[in-house]
Amino acid sequence: DAGVIQSPRHEVTEMGQEVTLRCKPISGHDYLFWYRQTMMRGLELLIYFNNNVPIDDSGMPEDRFSAKMPNASFSTLKIQPSEPRDSAVYFCASSKSGGFMEQYFGPGTRLTVT
Amino acid sequence: GENVEQHPSTLSVQEGDSAVIKCTYSDSASNYFPWYKQELGKRPQLIIDIRSNVGEKKDQRIAVTLNKTAKHFSLHITETQPEDSAVYFCAARWGQNFVFGPGTRLSVLP
Repeated sequence: DAGVIQSPRHEVTEMGQEVTLRCKPISGHDYLFWYRQTMMRGLELLIYFNNNVPIDDSGMPEDRFSAKMPNASFSTLKIQPSEPRDSAVYFCASSKSGGFMEQYFGPGTRLTVT
Repeated sequence: GENVEQHPSTLSVQEGDSAVIKCTYSDSASNYFPWYKQELGKRPQLIIDIRSNVGEKKDQRIAVTLNKTAKHFSLHITETQPEDSAVYFCAARWGQNFVFGPGTRLSVLP
């Protein structure tokens, strides 16, 4: 298995632009998590899905952030409009229900908003 | 909800020495505690984990201990090597989710 796949790996955009980050979880995993990592705040959970349904979005910072999971193999995190304070590394992770649900992370998307 | 604290935030050791990182959690219902290693510019990777019915687990040079009564768990790295330099995160499973500690930056000095 290729593991969790994220695209793009790097994104540089101007303030006010829309940004879309993409994630493909490991095949067979039914949980998908979006995290944001910054030096100041560490790893923050933004939202997670189970069987394509959002379960907890309490970590989404504000209405500018939205996430979707239209099917079991694809999820998007959208920021509209983007702001410089959104600059961070965004990780997607997936896990499988049953057992202890070890999470496996994707390579991350480094977002820079100028 | 669950809260995970981690100490120290930075740790420097001489190559060959041991390193210990400690975490505490607040919710006694948490039953699974993974440790992740994140090298600079890379993703967090699971290196070892422990379940609440086990007190200690070892994998070559790394080991993890769990004290359920005190609600703390620790990562032990023996015979440290320069490639052990990274940020280490502990986590506690809480419901269907994980709560991560703030991380420890370990530097192994040659």
